Amino acid sequence: QLQLQESGPGLVEPSETLSLTCPVSGGSISSSSYYWGWIRQPPGKGLEWIGSIYYSGSTYYNPSLKSRVTISVDTSKNQISLKLSSVTAADAAVYYCASFATYFYDSGGYSSSHYFDHWGQGTLVAVSS
Amino acid sequence: QSALTQPPSASGSPGQSVTISCTGTSSDVGGYNYVSWYQQHPGKAPKPMIYEVSKRPSGVPDRFSGSKSGNMASLTVSGLQAEDEADYYCSSYAGSNVLFGGGTKLTVL
Repeated sequence: QLQLQESGPGLVEPSETLSLTCPVSGGSISSSSYYWGWIRQPPGKGLEWIGSIYYSGSTYYNPSLKSRVTISVDTSKNQISLKLSSVTAADAAVYYCASFATYFYDSGGYSSSHYFDHWGQGTLVAVSS
Repeated sequence: QSALTQPPSASGSPGQSVTISCTGTSSDVGGYNYVSWYQQHPGKAPKPMIYEVSKRPSGVPDRFSGSKSGNMASLTVSGLQAEDEADYYCSSYAGSNVLFGGGTKLTVL
């Protein structure tokens, strides 16, 4: 069973860069069946996909955040990271990392999936000076 | 890209059935069979309930079912129970993008 755990500062100053990491346990981040993503949720609001990364380093970003986001993968540490630059109050949110399964094998053989199947508990990031 | 459209609220009495809709476009919901649904209780991380329109992850009760017609997907919760009261989010994988709906608060009366 995969386990993910977000970590990083709970407070970031306006215009600075938000940095979070997400170590993965219970499986390899180099698995060909997974992408790894970041999702955020402002207080009292809905979920917003930030972006995803494959173990090879291929990245996919939300167009609305693309100019400020960098997601990276460190296979030696089995973790992914998120950097969001030039933050404002609008970036205050609970940030989740999650695994995006594209397929799996079970007793029935190969099965396609394509969903966020394991989530971290989330970490709240406030933006304030 | 725009978020998928969900009704802000839905409700039903214990034992009843409730259906939550999720409307997108031909570029997301209508173009791929990759719609998923997540349940979120207050202060908790989202939990997947449905993937690829109608499949249930292991451990999810068969009271939860999903479907899709054109650009609209639906989540039906049958035999409502008190613990089903939560926020529900739909999501669509669309090639290199992932979209979420605005969320629906399900109240069990």
